[in-house]
Amino acid sequence: GAGVSQSPSNKVTEKGKDVELRCDPISGHTALYWYRQSLGQGLEFLIYFQGNSAPDKSGLPSDRFSAERTGGSVSTLTIQRTQQEDSAVYLCASSLSGGAGSDTQYFGPGTRLTVL
Amino acid sequence: SQQGEEDPQALSIQEGENATMNCSYKTSINNLQWYRQNSGRGLVHLILIRSNEREKHSGRLRVTLDTSKKSSSLLITASRAADTASYFCATVKSSGDKLTFGTGTRLAVRP
Repeated sequence: GAGVSQSPSNKVTEKGKDVELRCDPISGHTALYWYRQSLGQGLEFLIYFQGNSAPDKSGLPSDRFSAERTGGSVSTLTIQRTQQEDSAVYLCASSLSGGAGSDTQYFGPGTRLTVL
Repeated sequence: SQQGEEDPQALSIQEGENATMNCSYKTSINNLQWYRQNSGRGLVHLILIRSNEREKHSGRLRVTLDTSKKSSSLLITASRAADTASYFCATVKSSGDKLTFGTGTRLAVRP
């Protein structure tokens, strides 16, 4: 597609339920990033995938959070046993990476997660 | 964690005036990027400046980078009401690495 897409755009869930958020990066982009934006924490990095390398998971806030990227394209961010503090906008970005002029990260519209 | 601070936190100007936002960061970087965000959703990339560059222009945008002071500024000239948004700087330590965001500046341009 023309840009990064994310689904769903909005998700309301009950505390304790699991949720899955999906990201479709720009075709051909080798790097994929997940960030979240919340009122208290601003914009923070969660995890990123670069080609076939092991993902950088250093930003994941707890072991309830996990992500995978299948076939080097689509990524799913899973939050298990959601808590109210998980409420935030989850943003996905992709970049061409790997060379000069390719570091620009292009963001999707985000998924607004509300945990009741 | 966030790399640094942006100032001002909020800025209100009249249409046609220039707007300047500043960003400071803490560690060495490969590049610094500026983004705009409307209504708390998707981030739109504005401009990327590399650590060996001092100034870049794109339309009404001018970005400077001072690596000795670990700071950058974004100047929007001849502002328009449509420029109303939040503006974030973000740094990258090495090519392809994750973005570390500043705290953002909320810009309001009065028609």
